[in-house]
Amino acid sequence: EPEVTQTPSHQVTQMGQEVILRCVPISNHLYFYWYRQILGQKVEFLVSFYNNEISEKSEIFDDQFSVERPDGSNFTLKIRSTKLEDSAMYFCASSETGGSGANVLTFGAGSRLTVL
Amino acid sequence: DQQVKQNSPSLSVQEGRISILNCDYTNSMFDYFLWYKKYPAEGPTFLISISSIKDKNEDGRFTVFLNKSAKHLSLHIVPSQPGDSAVYFCAASAREYGNKLVFGAGTILRVKS
Repeated sequence: EPEVTQTPSHQVTQMGQEVILRCVPISNHLYFYWYRQILGQKVEFLVSFYNNEISEKSEIFDDQFSVERPDGSNFTLKIRSTKLEDSAMYFCASSETGGSGANVLTFGAGSRLTVL
Repeated sequence: DQQVKQNSPSLSVQEGRISILNCDYTNSMFDYFLWYKKYPAEGPTFLISISSIKDKNEDGRFTVFLNKSAKHLSLHIVPSQPGDSAVYFCAASAREYGNKLVFGAGTILRVKS
């Protein structure tokens, strides 16, 4: 069964360092997402990406965050200068369509980011 | 942002019995509702969805009921199995909001054998 793969599974970084989280979405999917879950809290939407541009972003997704699809298969989330409160599990997801019908997202296993 | 609420943090059920997981929402613009299951160290996996124009959708042991007037939906699992033990997330989407999923806080289901 097709799956979304994420790397690394766990990253520990110092506050202020840049972090790049990588994702390989399902190959025929057109819509890509990043969500995060801070320990004990709900899964929160960060950003959606379609046709090589951001289609929507949340208030969390400030100037410290950026996304890129550098080579047609990878989808990356970059945090320029990490803060303690960025510690969370980051989930990448993709979906076949953002149009009619339920938008069923397929999620990766997540990348746990720990900022010290 | 409290648009999707799951007020029960946890639920414990005996194997073979019915599990009922509840979800409430506030935004009448939502047009699809989805349930996801999450095991530790894995991402959420899709279980079942329902359109806002339906009141029931069934898939094997899983049935979702939607009460639009009450802005309430529930997921029924019958019979419950120990492998169903996981965190269950309710999610909703609206075409007007780009179809992104808005998640509830999740309910931990424990099925005891």
